[in-house]
Amino acid sequence: DGGITQSPKYLFRKEGQNVTLSCEQNLNHDAMYWYRQDPGQGLRLIYYSQIVNDFQKGDIAEGYSVSREKKESFPLTVTSAQKNPTAFYLCASKQGNSPLHFGNGTRLTVT
Amino acid sequence: AQKITQTQPGMFVQEKEAVTLDCTYDTSDQSYGLFWYKQPSSGEMIFLIYQGSYDEQNATEGRYSLNFQKARKSANLVISASQLGDSAMYFCAMSAYILIQGAQKLVFGQGTRLTINP
Repeated sequence: DGGITQSPKYLFRKEGQNVTLSCEQNLNHDAMYWYRQDPGQGLRLIYYSQIVNDFQKGDIAEGYSVSREKKESFPLTVTSAQKNPTAFYLCASKQGNSPLHFGNGTRLTVT
Repeated sequence: AQKITQTQPGMFVQEKEAVTLDCTYDTSDQSYGLFWYKQPSSGEMIFLIYQGSYDEQNATEGRYSLNFQKARKSANLVISASQLGDSAMYFCAMSAYILIQGAQKLVFGQGTRLTINP
């Protein structure tokens, strides 16, 4: 079955450490996205990539970095510069005008 | 800038009743898309229904229909004959085009938590 895999489901880190969230898709989609969701809130766009080796900042990119070395992979690094990193992170992909297809998310807790 | 507003933080409905979740949007684009997603407590986002700005007919998908009123800039989700499994967060979203990159992103509302009572 085609889909998006985010791992791990839960992630715990100490403040000051960088952490990388994995996102892999086998849908052959060109575009991939990272969203952040805080409790009781909607989704906010962190970064997106339309094609391999290219990506752009979304609305809340500060303190995050990404790479897109392969079509199927779009990892997100939460750096120590992100002031409030504890959140639920959702990766998504799409092709053309199709709806966004989401992964199951990673819940990051930083203490 | 595009904006989605969902004014109902929570709704409680009896099983088998119909329910309408409100969504209004703001955009200066002529061409755009409107989406509804469902998020159960497990966290995944499930696509429900899509309406294009030029579509003349309201979209329907099984028990879901989208009441699209372009002049009012509203795109309400109607769920007929609600079921216990419909209890979840529901998000309205709009596609926004980023002209320079030729990219498209989704802008989301704050969501409505729907609870279906037996």
